[in-house]
Amino acid sequence: AQKVTQAQTEISVVEKEDVTLDCVYETRDTTYYLFWYKQPPSGELVFLIRRNSFDEQNEISGRYSWNFQKSTSSFNFTITASQVVDSAVYFCALRGSNYKLTFGKGTLLTVNP
Amino acid sequence: KAGVTQTPRYLIKTRGQQVTLSCSPISGHRSVSWYQQTPGQGLQFLFEYFSETQRNKGNFPGRFSGRQFSNSRSEMNVSTLELGDSALYLCASSQGFGYTGELFFGEGSRLTVL
Repeated sequence: AQKVTQAQTEISVVEKEDVTLDCVYETRDTTYYLFWYKQPPSGELVFLIRRNSFDEQNEISGRYSWNFQKSTSSFNFTITASQVVDSAVYFCALRGSNYKLTFGKGTLLTVNP
Repeated sequence: KAGVTQTPRYLIKTRGQQVTLSCSPISGHRSVSWYQQTPGQGLQFLFEYFSETQRNKGNFPGRFSGRQFSNSRSEMNVSTLELGDSALYLCASSQGFGYTGELFFGEGSRLTVL
């Protein structure tokens, strides 16, 4: 069975602070894919990044960066110099051999001005 | 290009009624999957359709069903509604079944059961 845990239910920061959202996963598959999605108040899930299990390179995209560590089964997401527009619910998800996307419970990030 | 379109966006039903939700995927995408989002259970996979056939199914009772048409549009139906069915129902499209890239989501249909 697959499982994704986002231990942080809510995080509140002040604008320009850096913030890291944690994601820990469980799977027996050797090939799997990890995702991060952002859900603004409109409800639509917006794709941020995909990582496959064989690619442990960290990735940076503007203010966003991701740290994938298979040894600890973690795929953490960092926002540098947060902005009010970053306020949303962020979901980590795992897609394994059954092709189903398993989501974590999400982390509500509030960035205050 | 147009994104994933879900209709209706909001609806209110009473217990025992049934509801049909519609999803039009991104042009060229042939796989449609459905998810239920509730505060308690989070986002849960309902089912996935590809080439008009259900390819994958989550752990939901038989009251939840779906179908896909030849133009890849999909509908899901919930019969004999219960209070616990109140949720945001999200549809996602992708290029095909087993595609390992990103899913593109619609804004969802928010169902309230009274």
